[in-house]
Amino acid sequence: KAGVTQTPRYLIKTRGQQVTLSCSPISGHRSVSWYQQTPGQGLQFLFEYFSETQRNKGNFPGRFSGRQFSNSRSEMNVSTLELGDSALYLCARGHGNRGEKLFFGSGTQLSVL
Amino acid sequence: SQQGEEDPQALSIQEGENATMNCSYKTSINNLQWYRQNSGRGLVHLILIRSNEREKHSGRLRVTLDTSKKSSSLLITASRAADTASYFCATDEGGRGGSEKLVFGKGTKLTVNP
Repeated sequence: KAGVTQTPRYLIKTRGQQVTLSCSPISGHRSVSWYQQTPGQGLQFLFEYFSETQRNKGNFPGRFSGRQFSNSRSEMNVSTLELGDSALYLCARGHGNRGEKLFFGSGTQLSVL
Repeated sequence: SQQGEEDPQALSIQEGENATMNCSYKTSINNLQWYRQNSGRGLVHLILIRSNEREKHSGRLRVTLDTSKKSSSLLITASRAADTASYFCATDEGGRGGSEKLVFGKGTKLTVNP
């Protein structure tokens, strides 16, 4: 088991709205990373958090933001949604602290209409 | 930007045949990983090969790494219908290590026909 729970599984929004996605790694794992997957751009890194601190950020506009809580749960927020934000958003936890092996959740499929 | 680029983009074979997928990358790396994704689901880690390794095996999987050519290959032997999935290579970026930022290729879609 991946030990990463993402909610919701599916989401439909309209342009201009904002959305918040949630990710919960199993207890004891302090690192979380987020990826966006689209047919055109493939898998692209969004953010990485470790113990509530953003450790790394991908090349996405400021509309994409995230945070991590003290219980390791993470949220990702996208404001002013655009059609191109339609994607599968994947959250992952690392293997220990070295990030050499990621365990992914099942993802949230976001559709922007 | 995509560092890993797989080829072929799609591969269709019969059960029992071997499947080979290739990946190229651009910068120095600490390791290269292969992941599998069933349609619309999360990725599953298959195997990791470090930059100082040339070949690694895990069950029916064989991975090679050629750092001089910045390329890797994944071989699945005696394929099964259940191997049908997309396969992605992923590298750490710039060889700094310790980060969960991976750069993924666009993947090879493998179809294994019964």
